[in-house]
Amino acid sequence: AQSVTQLGSHVSVSEGALVLLRCNYSSSVPPYLFWYVQYPNQGLQLLLKYTTGATLVKGINGFEAEFKKSETSFHLTKPSAHMSDAAEYFCAVSLFSGNTGKLIFGQGTTLQVKP
Amino acid sequence: DTGVSQDPRHKITKRGQNVTFRCDPISEHNRLYWYRQTLGQGPEFLTYFQNEAQLEKSRLLSDRFSAERPKGSFSTLEIQRTEQGDSAMYLCASSLAPGTSRDTQYFGPGTRLTVL
Repeated sequence: AQSVTQLGSHVSVSEGALVLLRCNYSSSVPPYLFWYVQYPNQGLQLLLKYTTGATLVKGINGFEAEFKKSETSFHLTKPSAHMSDAAEYFCAVSLFSGNTGKLIFGQGTTLQVKP
Repeated sequence: DTGVSQDPRHKITKRGQNVTFRCDPISEHNRLYWYRQTLGQGPEFLTYFQNEAQLEKSRLLSDRFSAERPKGSFSTLEIQRTEQGDSAMYLCASSLAPGTSRDTQYFGPGTRLTVL
């Protein structure tokens, strides 16, 4: 069975500081991995995804994530936080090979950006 | 591209009433997913369709829940005899079938259900 663990339900950084949101996954087969962002009372927007190939994935708004198979991790980073980055972030895993494509989400991390 | 739309955005109902939500996917997407998100949690998979066929249902989807996707276009999610525990955000997502280069799931804004 697949699962996702996001370490830290709340992360607070100062504007301009590094953002690091942690995600570890469990999967019996090579996973597809995703980061989504959710602003209050809105749906989810895809930031980036890893399927195959290059393990460092670049997404929108300056975010990137690195797939580390040995550590079963897919941490999200951004070099310099902006006030507009304050939101809820979800890591998700899925199997696509002949499968449903359904996403299994972590519990989310709320990012607070202080001026 | 108008994106995924959901209607209504908010629904308040009394316990025991029936409610129905609608999702309109991105037009060329043949996959449609329903998720439920409770406060402070990540979304949980409920069910999905490929075209008009409902191919998987989660154990979360009790007998009071039913979903349809007639003609493989829009989908409806009905909850009968609502309970307070049904209060949640119901999210719809659509995609092309997995395995294609454009199989990303795009989410709608959600329908927030409050059961009094």
